[in-house]
Order: sequence, then structure tokens, then C-alpha cells
Amino acid sequence: AQSVTQPDIHITVSEGASLELRCNYSYGATPYLFWYVQSPGQGLQLLLKYFSGDTLVQGIKGFEAEFKRSQSSFNLRKPSVHWSDAAEYFCAVGARNYGQNFVFGPGTRLSVLP
Amino acid sequence: DTEVTQTPKHLVMGMTNKKSLKCEQHMGHRAMYWYKQKAKKPPELMFVYSYEKLSINESVPSRFSPECPNSSLLNLHLHALQPEDSALYLCASSQVGEHIQYFGAGTRLSVL
Repeated sequence: AQSVTQPDIHITVSEGASLELRCNYSYGATPYLFWYVQSPGQGLQLLLKYFSGDTLVQGIKGFEAEFKRSQSSFNLRKPSVHWSDAAEYFCAVGARNYGQNFVFGPGTRLSVLP
Repeated sequence: DTEVTQTPKHLVMGMTNKKSLKCEQHMGHRAMYWYKQKAKKPPELMFVYSYEKLSINESVPSRFSPECPNSSLLNLHLHALQPEDSALYLCASSQVGEHIQYFGAGTRLSVL
């Protein structure tokens, strides 16, 4: 079965600074990979996804992520963080032959300093 | 329209009450999901419906009873809940066989 780790429970950055959130997965083949964001008390919004092809994927709100097979990683990046980016970020892994459910990582809470 | 609508937004119930959560989508998705999310934790899958049939039940206690009356609607019936069932309940939908799930804003449930 697939699993996901997000090593950073909480990250604080200053507004305008760059951001990288880490995600590592465990799966026997190339998985489907996702980043979701959740604002307090809200549902989850899909930021971006990787299925195949170009390993650098662009998402909404200026986010991008890079799939690195050799490191089993799918790290999320943003060059300049805005105060509105403060939220919980979840990496998720879907197995290609496991049907429709996938596994979420534990999440990383992002705080943004003015 | 990529919206999944959940009602109510907040629900407070006693342990002897019966209540229902409702989820609706009009994207033509034929897969719908219920998740439970405790504070500071990721969502945990409870149920999956495909083509209005229950396909996955992640060993959820019988006090939670899902229902999918049609392709747009998903209900979660609640009965004799425990205080530890207090959580955010999220609904999601997707095309069958596709992995992109669209989430509702959730129902915040408090069991007293």
C-alpha cells in the first residue's frame, strides 16, 4: 500500500519569501501525486497534480511542484509567499491500480509573517 | 461548475439524536466520497460510492450509515454518535476511475 510523509509539521515564512514544502511517498510504481490546500474551517482545494510526463508541474496560485522519482519526492514550491497562503497543505498519493481512493500525508501548516 | 455543496455547515447533536449530512454535486461525477477529519489531522476515508453503489467501507462503525439516492446526492445518516465522533466531515466527488477529487467545505459536527 502507498504511504506519504510530510516531514515538516509547521513552517513559518515571511511574506515575499520563497517556500518549499516537502513530500515523500512510498509506492512500488509511479503513483499519482497531488497537493491540496485547506484554509481554516474549509474543505480541500486542489493546487496541482502529477500523473505523467513533465516532472515539473504548475498549479494554481503560483505554486509548482517537482516529481523526483529517484528521491520519491514531490515537493511544493512558491517563489514569493503571500499572507493569504497561510493554510494547511496536504500531499496525497493515489495508486494507479488501486481504484479511486488515495492516501493523504499528515499535512504541513504554513504561517506567514507580515 | 466545480462545486460540491455540503449542508449543514455546522451541526450540534446529542448522543441519542438522529441527524443527516447532505452532499450535492452537479458535475456529472459518478464517484462520491465521505471523509472524516479530526483537528490537525489529514482527512480519513470513510466510504466510497461508484455509480450509486457502495464500493468501499473503511470499517466505519454502523452508527454512520451512508446513502446515495441518486448520482448527484450523497447522504450520511448519523445515529447514537459518541463525543469522539466530533469532527469535520468532508464530501468529495470525482469521475469514476479518475483521481482528481473535488471537495466540499465540510460539515463541522459536535456531539455532546
